[in-house]
Amino acid sequence: QVHLVQSGAEVKQPGASVQVSCEASGYIFSSYEIHWVRQAPGQRLEWMGWINGGDGSTKISQRFQGRVTITRDTSATTAYMQLNSLKSEDTAMYYCARDPVAAYAAFDVWGQGTTVTVSS
Amino acid sequence: EIVLTQSPGTLSLSPGERATLSCRASLSVSNDLAWYQQKPGQAPRLLIYGASSRATGIPDRFSGSGSGTDFTLTISRLEPEDFAVYYCQQYGPSRTFGQGTKVEIK
Repeated sequence: QVHLVQSGAEVKQPGASVQVSCEASGYIFSSYEIHWVRQAPGQRLEWMGWINGGDGSTKISQRFQGRVTITRDTSATTAYMQLNSLKSEDTAMYYCARDPVAAYAAFDVWGQGTTVTVSS
Repeated sequence: EIVLTQSPGTLSLSPGERATLSCRASLSVSNDLAWYQQKPGQAPRLLIYGASSRATGIPDRFSGSGSGTDFTLTISRLEPEDFAVYYCQQYGPSRTFGQGTKVEIK
C-alpha cells in the first residue's frame, strides 16, 4: 500500500528555519515527484514546489524562491522541505503529495500533514 | 500564474440533493484539471483528474466535466459523508488551486 508519512509538528521562532520530512513507501520512489503544498488557517491550498525522486531535480514556486529548498534521500525514500527566514504568515499545515515523474498529473497520494507554527 | 476561481463559496444543500460546483481558469488549462475533497483535519483526497476521470475508489455519484477554462464538479445525490470543502487544481508547470467551495448541510 502506498503511503507518505510526514514528520511531526514544529514550533519555531520568527527568523528560524524548519525542515519537514516525507517518507514514502509502497512504490518506486524514483518514478515519482514529491510536491509540497501548504494551507494557512482558513486559506486555499498553495503549491510550493517539487523534487524528482529519481534525478533530484527541483522546481520551486516563484513565490518561495530563495526561501525554500527541497531535497531527497533515495536510500531512505524520503523527501525534505526546508523553509528559511520564517515569518508568522508561514504558520500553516504543510503537506507532501506525489505525481509521476515527467508527467503533469494530479496528486493521487498525500501525506497526513505537518503543522508548523511560527511564534515568538 | 493561472488563477482558478471557484463558485459558489458555500453551497447549502440537504442529503439526497444534487450539488453543482464551478471552477473557472484565467487561461486555458486544456483538461489538466483535478478536483479534491477535504474534510476538517484531513489531507485533500483526489476525486477527479483529467477534468472528468474518477480516481480509484471514487463513487460514481461524483462526475466532472469541462475543458479549457470552465469546469464543473457534480455530486448527483449528496450522501452525509460528502459534506466537505472541494478544491479544483490545474496541474500545468506551476500548479495552482482554487479557493474552495464548502458544501454544508442545509
